[in-house]
Amino acid sequence: RKEVEQDPGPFNVPEGATVAFNCTYSNSASQSFFWYRQDCRKEPKLLMSVYSSGNEDGRFTAQLNRASQYISLLIRDSKLSDSATYLCVVTPRGAQKLVFGQGTRLTINP
Amino acid sequence: GAVVSQHPSWVICKSGTSVKIECRSLDFQATTMFWYRQFPKQSLMLMATSNEGSKATYEQGVEKDKFLINHASLTLSTLTVTSAHPEDSSFYICSARDTVGTGRHGYTFGSGTRLTVV
Repeated sequence: RKEVEQDPGPFNVPEGATVAFNCTYSNSASQSFFWYRQDCRKEPKLLMSVYSSGNEDGRFTAQLNRASQYISLLIRDSKLSDSATYLCVVTPRGAQKLVFGQGTRLTINP
Repeated sequence: GAVVSQHPSWVICKSGTSVKIECRSLDFQATTMFWYRQFPKQSLMLMATSNEGSKATYEQGVEKDKFLINHASLTLSTLTVTSAHPEDSSFYICSARDTVGTGRHGYTFGSGTRLTVV
């Protein structure tokens, strides 16, 4: 079983739609959680950290459910510029490394 | 903010030759750097953790004699792909941990190196 699993998609949605991504992780001792976005042939860039209390950054909302080992990302009022691959990322407890999910490809259509 | 410079951004080499990729932290000191590899349509896979002044820690399945890592200073780590073969063609990305914490969560990525072995 992969440490971090995501639906690979691709997701194709119209501009203005709301999109939800899900992610599960296998190591219950994981301590830090993030969503990254990666554009084609570019390095990944941090979108937001994910906290147990849930957190919001503009049109983006992230949630963490430690009991279910589940992470989500919601994008509201999607823009064409949101088209990218979204990566769920976890840090194991006591380790500095980042463990990446396979990513979910999102395309926003005009 | 924290910046990591990685070069070359792309390289084409002949099978059997070696390629060196550099990763520099420009405005912070990085005691730890990470090297990832990404094949097409796959996610980033950690290859090794590079520690300044000591041997790198390799992930399971990564050949340490093929992927030589040197982290001789607090601002520079290098990855050398030795005797490269076409199956080593991939996108290699480094990441540095900002020990001072100037980044949003301490990890800064280089822009990646696209290696093609012909």
